[in-house]
Amino acid sequence: AQSVSQHNHHVILSEAASLELGCNYSYGGTVNLFWYVQYPGQHLQLLLKYFSGDPLVKGIKGFEAEFIKSKFSFNLRKPSVQWSDTAEYFCAVLRVTGGGNKLTFGTGTQLKVEL
Amino acid sequence: EAGVTQFPSHSVIEKGQTVTLRCDPISGHDNLYWYRRVMGKEIKFLLHFVKESKQDESGMPNNRFLAERTGGTYSTLKVQPAELEDSGVYFCASSQDSGRGRTGELFFGEGSRLTVL
Repeated sequence: AQSVSQHNHHVILSEAASLELGCNYSYGGTVNLFWYVQYPGQHLQLLLKYFSGDPLVKGIKGFEAEFIKSKFSFNLRKPSVQWSDTAEYFCAVLRVTGGGNKLTFGTGTQLKVEL
Repeated sequence: EAGVTQFPSHSVIEKGQTVTLRCDPISGHDNLYWYRRVMGKEIKFLLHFVKESKQDESGMPNNRFLAERTGGTYSTLKVQPAELEDSGVYFCASSQDSGRGRTGELFFGEGSRLTVL
């Protein structure tokens, strides 16, 4: 069964620190990759996505993620976090072939940014 | 444009009772999904509607769960009878069809938190 692993469950950073959240998946075929974010009291929203092409994708609010096919990874990065980035972040994978149209999510990473 | 709306936002029921969750997708979105997150665990797929048809219900935990989408608009998810392990947050999402049978971006509702005592 396909799985998505997020290595860090809780991350605490100071403002202006750099962020990298790990995401690995187990499926070997073609995939589409996503990062979603849920701010406190709000709904899940898309941060960025990778379908094909340039493996370095840029999303909203200064986030980016790099797809490394050989490592089955899609890590999320931000050079300098802000207090407003405090939220829960979810990596998700869509199998392009044989997976239907359902996303498989990781367990989420709770990020807290301190002033 | 209104987003995906879910009702109720929080429901507290006793074991053995019935609860019905409702999801109104974004107008014009044929695809509607239900997901569930049990405390501290991953968000898990439950099922997928395309219009009024169940495209994939492989994630439904058991026959105590019944999802419907009559008329291809809003959807309901009924849990009957509810058990303690059904507690969690139930998310609904909708999307347009991006072509070639693949879904476009999923837009999520805020979720319905279910607590079974």
